[in-house]
Amino acid sequence: QLQLQESGSGLVKPSQTLSLTCDVSGDSISSADFSWSWIRQPRGKGLEWMGYMDESGTTYYNPSLKSRVTMSVDRSKNQFSLKLRSVTAADTAIYYCARALLYDFWSTAEMLRGLYFDFWGQGTLVSVSS
Amino acid sequence: QSMLTQPPSVSGAPGQRVTISCTGSSSSIGADYNIEWYQQLPGTAPKLLIYGNTNRPSGVPDRFSGSKSGASASLAISGLQAEDEADYYCQSYDSSLSGLVVFGGGTKLTVL
Repeated sequence: QLQLQESGSGLVKPSQTLSLTCDVSGDSISSADFSWSWIRQPRGKGLEWMGYMDESGTTYYNPSLKSRVTMSVDRSKNQFSLKLRSVTAADTAIYYCARALLYDFWSTAEMLRGLYFDFWGQGTLVSVSS
Repeated sequence: QSMLTQPPSVSGAPGQRVTISCTGSSSSIGADYNIEWYQQLPGTAPKLLIYGNTNRPSGVPDRFSGSKSGASASLAISGLQAEDEADYYCQSYDSSLSGLVVFGGGTKLTVL
């Protein structure tokens, strides 16, 4: 059974860089057809997709975060990472890593792609405060 | 930017059937993209409930069902149980916008 576990700094000072790692166990992070994603959730609020890296290593970021975020994969350690620069209090949230599956489907006129998150880590709370 | 709109809350008594709507405000649903649904029990990570509009992953009870018509999708929960009290999120993916993933704002289901 696939398991994901987030780890990293739980307290970050404003203007500094938030760094998190997601350890993947139960399967190889290099398995074909899967992408790896970060999603965050401020306390008491909804989910915000931050970005994902697909099996080719291409990254896709939420436009609202694109200038500050970097995601990477370390296949030798079977883990993927998140860096978020220049943090503010608004970045305080529970951060989840998740596995994403991209799939193709036919619409009425064309082939389209869908994506869903089938496995999630338990989440880690990151607070931004001086 | 694409947006998915959900009602903030719904409620129902045990045994009843409730539905949660998810409406797209741009091309993310209107263009026939698929909708996924997640359940988030209090204090836990979200869990995949429905994928590809109507499909249930293994282990999800058939009390949960998804549908989609035009620009609107719905999650239906029949035979409501106390353990269904949770937040529910819809999600879509717009590959025409550089792989943009969008979540709805979430709906709090209260079992009366």
